[in-house]
Formats: sequence, C-alpha cells, structure tokens
Amino acid sequence: GQQLNQSPQSMFIQEGEDVSMNCTSSSIFNTWLWYKQDPGEGPVLLIALYKAGELTSNGRLTAQFGITRKDSFLNISASIPSDVGIYFCAGNQGAQKLVFGQGTRLTINP
Amino acid sequence: DTAVSQTPKYLVTQMGNDKSIKCEQNLGHDTMYWYKQDSKKFLKIMFSYNNKELIINETVPNRFSPKSPDKAHLNLHINSLELGDSAVYFCASSQDQGLGQPQHFGDGTRLSIL
Repeated sequence: GQQLNQSPQSMFIQEGEDVSMNCTSSSIFNTWLWYKQDPGEGPVLLIALYKAGELTSNGRLTAQFGITRKDSFLNISASIPSDVGIYFCAGNQGAQKLVFGQGTRLTINP
Repeated sequence: DTAVSQTPKYLVTQMGNDKSIKCEQNLGHDTMYWYKQDSKKFLKIMFSYNNKELIINETVPNRFSPKSPDKAHLNLHINSLELGDSAVYFCASSQDQGLGQPQHFGDGTRLSIL
C-alpha cells in the first residue's frame, strides 16, 4: 500500500526552540492532515490542508501542503513542554482512507 | 462529553479467547473507522463504515468482524485471539465520506494477549 515517509523519527530539543518535521510520498495526495498523539490518548487533529501550496497556521503551528502534492511540513515555533508527544502526518488519496506516516516523537528538555 | 468513546480502555485476555470492543460517537457523524496501532506506533486502518454500511475492509484476518447497529456505533469483535493481536485499537469518526474530512479519534483500547 501507499506509504508516507515522515522525518525525523525523533527529536530532542530545548524548550523555546523551533521544530520542523516533514512528510513525503512517491504518490500524489489530495489532502494532508497533521495529528498529535499524547501518551494514553488518541490522535488529535492539529491542521488540515486541502490545496497544493496551502499554508495554514494554528497558533504556534504552521503547516504547508507541498506544491507537488507529494509532501507536507509542520513547524512549531517557540516550543513549550506541552508540545511533547508524537506527531503524525496523514494523507488522503481518493476514498476516505487515511494513510499515516510513522510519526515524529518530540521530546523537550526544560 | 467525550466525542468518540471506546470501551474498555484496557483489555487483557488469553490467547484463543473471543472479545469485543465497543465504540460510540456523539458527533452526529455518518462515517466510523477502526484503526490498529502497533508497538512502533504505526497506525493502520482496518475497517470503515458509512451509515452502517461497510465501505473499507483492509487486509484483516476474518477473525475480526465489525458490526454497526446504527451510525453512532461501531463495534469490533475478535475471535480466537492471537499474540499478534496485541496492540492499541482506535475508533474514529468523520462527518461523512467526503474527501479529506478530518477524523476524530477515541482514546484507544489497549489489548494485551497473554
């Protein structure tokens, strides 16, 4: 099946630093979604992207839908302790079936 | 009020047993899903129902049987549990089948097979 390659797999940063992670695919996707999963909970939607080139912000989070429709990135500015968690990209190609990336585990040192 | 709720949160059972996981959503959504998250946190869709009708059935052993009594509920029954079934199972829902509809997840059911 289709796969999304998400990188990096893990990040260890200091509080206050900016974070950047991305997702790529060899196939075109029609939508890109970014989720965050906290321990013991389900993924929570952060940002949804629907058009190639679209740049969307949600507070300190910014995500972009790549112009080729084969990639997306998520940036977090001025990280805080509650940003810790696993971030997933997910893409949708046709039918309502989301394909997920492998996740980026973010750890923040205070 | 929890939007997508799953029960139980934890399920520990022996190999060979049959078990069920229940899911309910109070969002008024038409479409519901079951996902499996393995120990490496990889999320993979198993099933999807739209208004009680099966629309996605990934390559899942037929020991797994979803049932949707109404559009607000999607339960998952697993027969003859195997060690490899140990995982976290997530239920999710979306407004409808429309492309790119955001999916809302429950908090998961942690299934451990002894």
